[in-house]
Amino acid sequence: DTGVSQDPRHKITKRGQNVTFRCDPISEHNRLYWYRQTLGQGPEFLTYFQNEAQLEKSRLLSDRFSAERPKGSFSTLEIQRTEQGDSAMYLCASSLGFTETQYFGPGTRLLVL
Amino acid sequence: KNQVEQSPQSLIILEGKNCTLQCNYTVSPFSNLRWYKQDTGRGPVSLTIMTFSENTKSNGRYTATLDADTKQSSLHITASQLSDSASYICVVSGLNDYKLSFGAGTTVTVRA
Repeated sequence: DTGVSQDPRHKITKRGQNVTFRCDPISEHNRLYWYRQTLGQGPEFLTYFQNEAQLEKSRLLSDRFSAERPKGSFSTLEIQRTEQGDSAMYLCASSLGFTETQYFGPGTRLLVL
Repeated sequence: KNQVEQSPQSLIILEGKNCTLQCNYTVSPFSNLRWYKQDTGRGPVSLTIMTFSENTKSNGRYTATLDADTKQSSLHITASQLSDSASYICVVSGLNDYKLSFGAGTTVTVRA
């Protein structure tokens, strides 16, 4: 296992389009997190899954954002009707237990034109 | 208000020199503190983790210290190398809380 992977690594889209990102966590990790990071800032929590259950969503996650983890393995994050303010790095992390170290993926950098 | 504050925001050092980064936090009750290294365009990678009972933890040329009483931590980089150029993020976990509180990071640039 090579760690957390994310796809795509980069995405450029026009305002108003929908985009979907994928995260594959470390295989035995049952907890999966999504974060958003803007330039010069630390990551901000978006949402969290334990297995397939989405247990919490940040108020940062507007109704244009939806995340799924249908089989408790990989996860997708979809942004509908993208806005320029959505431009950021979207990071996925996974952990074995909620107090364990979160391992981050390389991120998907989104640019909305 | 951010519960984790880091300083300086950025620094430039010459290759081979040492530097120290600071982290102050207000997260309470406190569980553990991690330092992550984030290369440009990459996800953060954990360097060290310390619980409230630990005062110091080393990982190669990186040494982290923790004073849980004053809620301060530092990361010391010894004999810096060009590959140390990155953002260093202080991350604090509350007790029984999966949510991490992130600092904004300190950007370190090592020059030859």
